Parts: sequence; structure tokens; C-alpha cells
Amino acid sequence: EIVLTQSPATLSLSPGERATLSCRASQSVSSSLAWYQQKPGQAPRLLIYGASNRATGIPARFSGSGSGTDFTLTISSLEPEDFAVYSCQQRSDWYTFGQGTKLEIK
Amino acid sequence: QVQLQESGPGLVKPSETLSLTCAVSGYSISSGYYWGWIRQPPGKGLEWIGSTHHSGHTFYNPSLRSRITISVDTSENQFSLKLSSVTAADTAVYYCARDRDEIGALDYWGQGALVTVSS
Repeated sequence: EIVLTQSPATLSLSPGERATLSCRASQSVSSSLAWYQQKPGQAPRLLIYGASNRATGIPARFSGSGSGTDFTLTISSLEPEDFAVYSCQQRSDWYTFGQGTKLEIK
Repeated sequence: QVQLQESGPGLVKPSETLSLTCAVSGYSISSGYYWGWIRQPPGKGLEWIGSTHHSGHTFYNPSLRSRITISVDTSENQFSLKLSSVTAADTAVYYCARDRDEIGALDYWGQGALVTVSS
């Protein structure tokens, strides 16, 4: 099983700041990496697939990068609605998810 | 707009079978794609359970395979999950989602259904 490790567990930032979230895979997943946003009481929302492709309707401030084992989700300038939990997910074999990074308001 | 809606009992007794259905609207399951189930225990991360295709092809999480059955009903445009021999560890919010296997991501999700395993 491919294990995804996300860091940091919690990230405290202010609106307008840049957020950088990390996801590391226990073995190469090539570019088969997605990112999701989840707010309390809501289902996950697909942000990025294929490591760097924005899903339909996702604002340009969200970007993804990386390949192999190291991936990054960047939010260029935080909006109030961006504070949430972010999870990465791989599909190299079957689907597995990271444990999530909580992005909270500082 | 593709919409998914989970339904089923919110309380299941230990050792019994959990059964959930996902009704799909805005897209015909027969048109393609896979359709999957994911769960999230309270306060924890997401766990993929398995996915199915209208052709009948299914693939399951190896850790749950012995207890899972996922099936499709194209006439009702819905798909279902059965998880047998449940324990308290199976208590979770269960989500259904459209599985875009070709891009390796789940692009439309239901709102989720909390299932509690308790006597």
C-alpha cells in the first residue's frame, strides 16, 4: 500500500498570505496525485488532479506541482473561504489518501 | 449538473451488514465512468472502499475486500454498497462519488451519510 504523508498537520496563516502544503508518497506515484478541500460537515471537493491540473471551476490561486514522491499544493493568496482541511490522494495502485493538513486562520 | 445522494440506515448492529445506496442524477451511469464509495471515521482521514462500472467490473480496497459487495442498478441509475460483519470500527461518514479512473480522481461527491455501528 502506498502511504501518503502530509505536512504540516496544521498551518496557521492570515488572509492574503501564501500557503504551501506538502504531500510525500512512500513510493513513486508518477503524476497520479490529486488534492481535495474539505470544510466541516461537507464532502471533499476536488481541486487538482494529475498533480497539476485544476478541476473544473477551481480558482487560479490554487496550483499543484510535483511528480514521483514529492508534491505541493500552493494557494497564492488566501481568501477567507480557503480555510479548511486539504487532503492528497494517489491512484497509482488503488486509492489512498493522506491524513490531511488543517489550514487555519492565524 | 451531476448530483449524488446516499441513503440507508444510520444505525447498524455489530456483526450485521451495512447497506447503502447512491442515487445519481444529471448523468447516466450507463454512459461510463466508475462509481465509488469512500468513508471517513469521525475526526479521521478518508478511506477508499471500492468502485464499480456499469459493465459490472469492480475493484475493492484489499483491506476490506472480504467484506464488501458493490453493485450497480442501471435501470434506477444507482449503485449500492454492502459491508458485512460490521464492528464499531466501521462507524463513519460514507460518501459515494464519481470515480474518474482515467484521471485518478473522484470529481463529484454525495453529501455523505453517517452510519453508526452500535447495539
